[in-house]
Amino acid sequence: NAGVTQTPKFRILKIGQSMTLQCTQDMNHNYMYWYRQDPGMGLKLIYYSVGAGITDKGEVPNGYNVSRSTTEDFPLRLELAAPSQTSVYFCASWKQGFTGNTIYFGEGSWLTVV
Amino acid sequence: KQEVTQIPAALSVPEGENLVLNCSFTDSAIYNLQWFRQDPGKGLTSLLLIQSSQREQTSGRLNASLDKSSGRSTLYIAASQPGDSATYLCAVRPNNNDMRFGAGTRLTVKP
Repeated sequence: NAGVTQTPKFRILKIGQSMTLQCTQDMNHNYMYWYRQDPGMGLKLIYYSVGAGITDKGEVPNGYNVSRSTTEDFPLRLELAAPSQTSVYFCASWKQGFTGNTIYFGEGSWLTVV
Repeated sequence: KQEVTQIPAALSVPEGENLVLNCSFTDSAIYNLQWFRQDPGKGLTSLLLIQSSQREQTSGRLNASLDKSSGRSTLYIAASQPGDSATYLCAVRPNNNDMRFGAGTRLTVKP
């Protein structure tokens, strides 16, 4: 299993541009999440999905959109990029059914908006 | 709203020392608590997961404890090594939909 795979690893965007961060997992996990991590801060939840076709907002959803057309993929769309969206983005997945199941993270995507 | 705090923010110790990292949370209604390790430029790796009904978990030189009633967890690292240098994050799961993270403790173990 590859686990959780994110692309791209690094990206520089100009203000007002749009882009999509890709995330895929091969563990047949039903839950998927997008977090952002700002310097010196903990991770904050942007959006999550409980299964294909179902998504919901997290703590900091403004400026982002997601979709979940398949169990494996959970792309994060940034529309009209702003400097405040400069951050490290992590995708994660988790299988519901046992509270002892661990959550798995991708390696992160470093985004700079200039 | 669940808030997670980690103290200290940074810690530097000589190799071989035993150390304790602290995590506190404001709401005791949690499913579990998890400790992660984060290396620079990398994602998070799960170290230990403690379910709400458990008091502690051990893996090798690591031992994590959980006291739900006081809203506290500790991560004990025995006989620290330079390879333990990383940022350690504590997270609580209040429900299926989210995990709440602390800001982390940046650990440096000097040879």
